[in-house]
Amino acid sequence: SQTIHQWPATLVQPVGSPLSLECTVEGTSNPNLYWYRQAAGRGLQLLFYSVGIGQISSEVPQNLSASRPQDRQFILSSKKLLLSDSSFYLCAWSPHGRPDTQYFGPGTRLTVL
Amino acid sequence: GDSVTQMEGPVTLSEEAFLTINCTYTATGYPSLFWYVQYPGEGLQLLLKATKADDKGSNKGFEATYRKETTSFHLEKGSVQVSDSAVYFCALTVNSGNTPLVFGKGTRLSVIA
Repeated sequence: SQTIHQWPATLVQPVGSPLSLECTVEGTSNPNLYWYRQAAGRGLQLLFYSVGIGQISSEVPQNLSASRPQDRQFILSSKKLLLSDSSFYLCAWSPHGRPDTQYFGPGTRLTVL
Repeated sequence: GDSVTQMEGPVTLSEEAFLTINCTYTATGYPSLFWYVQYPGEGLQLLLKATKADDKGSNKGFEATYRKETTSFHLEKGSVQVSDSAVYFCALTVNSGNTPLVFGKGTRLSVIA
């Protein structure tokens, strides 16, 4: 069966520090991968998605970036965090070519102080 | 562009009350429609879906009917439980290749005993 892992579960970082959140999927190959952000009291915002290694589509321009160095690994990064980056970050995967059914990870709660 | 509009929450109900969460959509093609649920502190998970007009998706006592004439996909449950307290997201995809899901902003439901 397929599983999706995200870490860390919680993170507290100072303003201006770098960020690296990791997401890995097991039990499937060539998945579509997604990064979402969910701010308190607000909806789900798609940040990036990837349909293959090295292929990244950005939905919202900001100080975040994403990379997919391996088939089942998706990384969300920032060189300098802002206070407004505090949020709940969710990774998800779907079968390739089947974006209709997504499977979400447990999320990372990021607080920037 | 494609979009989903959900009723704003929070919605607070007593146990065993009837639930309706409204969802309407705008799509350029013929979409598939979904409801996802997010329990406290977790990622999203698929609750139910419908892929063509007049289809009814159902799961865990929840139902939603794809109404093309009113472009709606309202979520209903006849008798809610405290364990149904969560955030509910309506979503669509037009199944065009790898186009990601489009989510609504979510509706928070609180069920009190």
